[in-house]
Amino acid sequence: QKEVEQNSGPLSVPEGAIASLNCTYSDRGSQSFFWYRQYSGKSPELIMSIYSNGDKEDGRFTAQLNKASQYVSLLIRDSQPSDSATYLCAVTPSNSGYALNFGKGTSLLVTP
Amino acid sequence: EAGVAQSPRYKIIEKRQSVAFWCNPISGHATLYWYQQILGQGPKLLIQFQNNGVVDDSQLPKDRFSAERLKGVDSTLKIQPAKLEDSAVYLCASSPSGLVWVEQFFGPGTRLTVL
Repeated sequence: QKEVEQNSGPLSVPEGAIASLNCTYSDRGSQSFFWYRQYSGKSPELIMSIYSNGDKEDGRFTAQLNKASQYVSLLIRDSQPSDSATYLCAVTPSNSGYALNFGKGTSLLVTP
Repeated sequence: EAGVAQSPRYKIIEKRQSVAFWCNPISGHATLYWYQQILGQGPKLLIQFQNNGVVDDSQLPKDRFSAERLKGVDSTLKIQPAKLEDSAVYLCASSPSGLVWVEQFFGPGTRLTVL
């Protein structure tokens, strides 16, 4: 099983700050990368997807991908208490099927 | 558009008992996934269906877990007999196809507690 690694946290940031979440993956052939948000007791919800090297911005969220370093990150600008959740990094492996291979998630706490 | 439906939402059983979970994907979605999420971990794929065929079941503990997707729509996941370590949330997800860039939509999950 190819690995997806995340710091479990908790990562605590003050309201209005930038939260930076990181993820590394071991499968060099991975093609697609996703960030899911999961509130306690709820199912994962897709917030960002990225497929090519560089940055992708959507509102307050920016995903960054560096395939050479096998590294994906998520930046949340102007963090709000409602952003407090677990953020799951997910990668599609290079073998068939394209089901997601998830990291353990990083717990983010945004304090007022 | 209705989301992925799952039932039951919660289930408590004794070890060695059997249990079944049901999933109805978003209408028209060809690909259906069952994931197991143990507390504090990310979801782990158990089985992936494309229409009514199995694409990947390499991580399904086949001595106790089984799954089917009759007619390429609804799916059931069964555990028989259950072990304590099967306590987890079982998530069903669907996508329009099994293509690499297509979003997967998750249902609310079934929380299983094995005593």
